[in-house]
Amino acid sequence: GNSVTQMEGPVTLSEEAFLTINCTYTATGYPSLFWYVQYPGEGLQLLLKATKADDKGSNKGFEATYRKETTSFHLEKGSVQVSDSAVYFCALRGSSASKIIFGSGTRLSIRP
Amino acid sequence: NAGVTQTPKFQVLKTGQSMTLQCAQDMNHEYMSWYRQDPGMGLRLIHYSVGAGITDQGEVPNGYNVSRSTTEDFPLRLLSAAPSQTSVYFCASSPRPGTSTYEQYFGPGTRLTVT
Repeated sequence: GNSVTQMEGPVTLSEEAFLTINCTYTATGYPSLFWYVQYPGEGLQLLLKATKADDKGSNKGFEATYRKETTSFHLEKGSVQVSDSAVYFCALRGSSASKIIFGSGTRLSIRP
Repeated sequence: NAGVTQTPKFQVLKTGQSMTLQCAQDMNHEYMSWYRQDPGMGLRLIHYSVGAGITDQGEVPNGYNVSRSTTEDFPLRLLSAAPSQTSVYFCASSPRPGTSTYEQYFGPGTRLTVT
């Protein structure tokens, strides 16, 4: 079945550092891939998405590229801010699936 | 446009009590889902629905019931609360596959404590 594996946290970085959170997936066909962010005390919000191979999703300085050859969708940001502190979830949805499969989440903390 | 709304925001129950968590969406989405979020375990799907009158079980359905009589509403019922159901519950909705926007929209969550 479909599954998502993402890097375990917590991840702690200094402000302006480069961020990578790894995400790999297992799926048949051509799933859509997502990154969601959860700020403290809130629900999940869509951060970015990609719906086909080689697509790059981007938002708020974050980027992720859909790599079918490596079944990966790593999240990157060139210079993190304290306000980026949150939990990040990688997720996938199969082409005809009614369910979204989530990774276990990665907690990111940014030090001033 | 309210999006996905959930009530209540917080709830404390005693073991054995029953209650219903409410979820509503105003985006005319066909798909709705309930998740629970526990520390270190990410999101786990409880039940989901692909349209009014149609529901199915997710990975952790035991102890929970759902129904979907309208497109807008998808309540989650705890029949006899147990301490293991202490969690944060999220409702989500999405358009059906094949539409241009495919992502799920989440409600703000209900924090439930069972003593």
